[in-house]
Amino acid sequence: EIVLTQSPGTLSLSPGERATLSCRASQSVSNSWLAWYQQKPGQAPRLLIYGASSRATGIPDRFSGSGSGTDFTLTISRLEPEDFAVYYCQQYGSLVFTFGGGTKVEIK
Amino acid sequence: QITLKESGPTLVKPTQTLTLTCTFSGFSLTTSGVGVGWIRQPPGKALEWLILIYWDDDKRYSPSLKSRLTITKDTSKNQVVLTMTNMDPVDTATYYCAHLKGGLAVAGEYYFDYWGQGTLVTVSS
Repeated sequence: EIVLTQSPGTLSLSPGERATLSCRASQSVSNSWLAWYQQKPGQAPRLLIYGASSRATGIPDRFSGSGSGTDFTLTISRLEPEDFAVYYCQQYGSLVFTFGGGTKVEIK
Repeated sequence: QITLKESGPTLVKPTQTLTLTCTFSGFSLTTSGVGVGWIRQPPGKALEWLILIYWDDDKRYSPSLKSRLTITKDTSKNQVVLTMTNMDPVDTATYYCAHLKGGLAVAGEYYFDYWGQGTLVTVSS
């Protein structure tokens, strides 16, 4: 089972700043089967990025994903007030889905 | 427009069996390349994937919970049912069902693009 480790656990930034979130896999993730989700309090997760780098429908272009193999990154180029939330990565491999532990992006 | 909604008990006792139903619209679970999965989230904690069923009735299980989980689908009713046996207080969580794009080994797929609102299940005597 592939374990996903997200870092940092919490990111304290101001609106307008750039956010860089990391997701590291314990084994190589095949075929870009890596996605990112945003979750706000009391809400279900929302798909942001699939295929490691493709934005989901309706997602602003300030969100971008990159990486391959075991290292993946979600970047928010300029934080808007509505971007402060928890972000999760998710992978599929060896017939199993796993989520990372999440990164909370909070207002500094 | 794809929507999903979870339903079931909000409170179960330890050792009981939990049964949750996901009722969906906007897609068919007979279409190749789709599935419905269940994911849970204990209060204040991370997401945990539990189980998934594909259009062709193939199923995937979380290794740590496989012995306790069952999933079935009723394509005529557009429903997927999760059962989890021997419930424990640590199983207290919000349970989500979600639409999966995947199952054909296509690069870039295997993601959950639509989610239900979730249902909080508390396990307590």
